[in-house]
Amino acid sequence: GAVVSQHPSWVICKSGTSVKIECRSLDFQATTMFWYRQFPKQSLMLMATSNEGSKATYEQGVEKDKFLINHASLTLSTLTVTSAHPEDSSFYICSANSAGGGNRPYNEQFFGPGTRLTVL
Amino acid sequence: GIQVEQSPPDLILQEGANSTLRCNFSDSVNNLQWFHQNPWGQLINLFYIPSGTKQNGRLSATTVATERYSLLYISSSQTTDSGVYFCAVGLSTSGTYKYIFGTGTRLKVLA
Repeated sequence: GAVVSQHPSWVICKSGTSVKIECRSLDFQATTMFWYRQFPKQSLMLMATSNEGSKATYEQGVEKDKFLINHASLTLSTLTVTSAHPEDSSFYICSANSAGGGNRPYNEQFFGPGTRLTVL
Repeated sequence: GIQVEQSPPDLILQEGANSTLRCNFSDSVNNLQWFHQNPWGQLINLFYIPSGTKQNGRLSATTVATERYSLLYISSSQTTDSGVYFCAVGLSTSGTYKYIFGTGTRLKVLA
């Protein structure tokens, strides 16, 4: 199957620092990558859609200056949480959409293992 | 926006039992996926099923797009089936493509 890596898997930082999370599709090219946030015992909330070479599309209520997204290539997207505060503590998950071809349907979504962020 | 509701929200089964999980969505969608989130948070792809029926071992899924629902069947459940099951609907809006997740069903299978 398609493999998506995410790094780091967990991070603890002090309030006011910035944290960068990387998402990579390892064995396929992703036309689109997505960033989600999940609070304990809740569903995944879509934060933004990231397309290679263009600006990310943010969901309503998500601060684009707070959550900076860069999609540098067809296999790499990064999420930077700027000036993190304790309320930003959460589980952040990325996914990558298959461009289709081979046995993979177009727009099937594959997930990274997630990053658990704790801001002290 | 579109609403994606799953039922039941919680389910406890004895090992070996069968179950049906439901996903209702409030508007037309381009496709639908089912996922299992394990205790470590990893989402595992179960089915990509915009319509019709698919089977994979003890799991099967049916989507009736015209009636805006999908069902996930788990037969002969095992303790390793425990976790949270999500459906996610794919939408193409304003030139972008995105997935909206359902509310989830938390399953616990007892030995």
